[in-house]
Amino acid sequence: AQKITQTQPGMFVQEKEAVTLDCTYDTSDQSYGLFWYKQPSSGEMIFLIYQGSYDEQNATEGRYSLNFQKARKSANLVISASQLGDSAMYFCAMREFLAGNKLTFGGGTRVLVKP
Amino acid sequence: DTEVTQTPKHLVMGMTNKKSLKCEQHMGHRAMYWYKQKAKKPPELMFVYSYEKLSINESVPSRFSPECPNSSLLNLHLHALQPEDSALYLCASSQETGGKSGYEQYFGPGTRLTVT
Repeated sequence: AQKITQTQPGMFVQEKEAVTLDCTYDTSDQSYGLFWYKQPSSGEMIFLIYQGSYDEQNATEGRYSLNFQKARKSANLVISASQLGDSAMYFCAMREFLAGNKLTFGGGTRVLVKP
Repeated sequence: DTEVTQTPKHLVMGMTNKKSLKCEQHMGHRAMYWYKQKAKKPPELMFVYSYEKLSINESVPSRFSPECPNSSLLNLHLHALQPEDSALYLCASSQETGGKSGYEQYFGPGTRLTVT
């Protein structure tokens, strides 16, 4: 079974609008972390935001926020006020801390911001 | 310095060649990683070094040989590769001290490898 599922292979979003990228995960561990990364066409993976399984508040970093719903095992990324530079591939990832340093990625969502 | 550097940026090699990829970080991070990424796919973990010791090998073929000479440097030695090994090879590092800034992995720009 897939540990991280991103159901949206691609999305268009209008500049200045908000967009939500879906991510669901599967784990039986109690201690885990969820990450979102952005990968522009240049190839570099850019860390955006982190949510720990014990964090009670949703993480926010500037225009990025993580909608963490633990019971539903979802960790959706919200990008507010989209910019043209937000066009990229976005990956959701999970680390189960009992499994060591391993980061497991979802299949990714390609976002294209339209002017 | 919050940067992971990788050299070379691009590499073309034949199936009989031996080459090495290099990764460096000066953030004092204690874990370093090699990932392989094929086009339109997520990165796949290959190796993890934790405190300069190999802690995870994801059943990678022996034609890929990692090396961690010191806490700042990570190499990936390549020998007798196949055309299907052509991919983007990403290096990453993490602090491993817990909390928000402890577990995130910082990635380098990658090496685009083509095996002919």
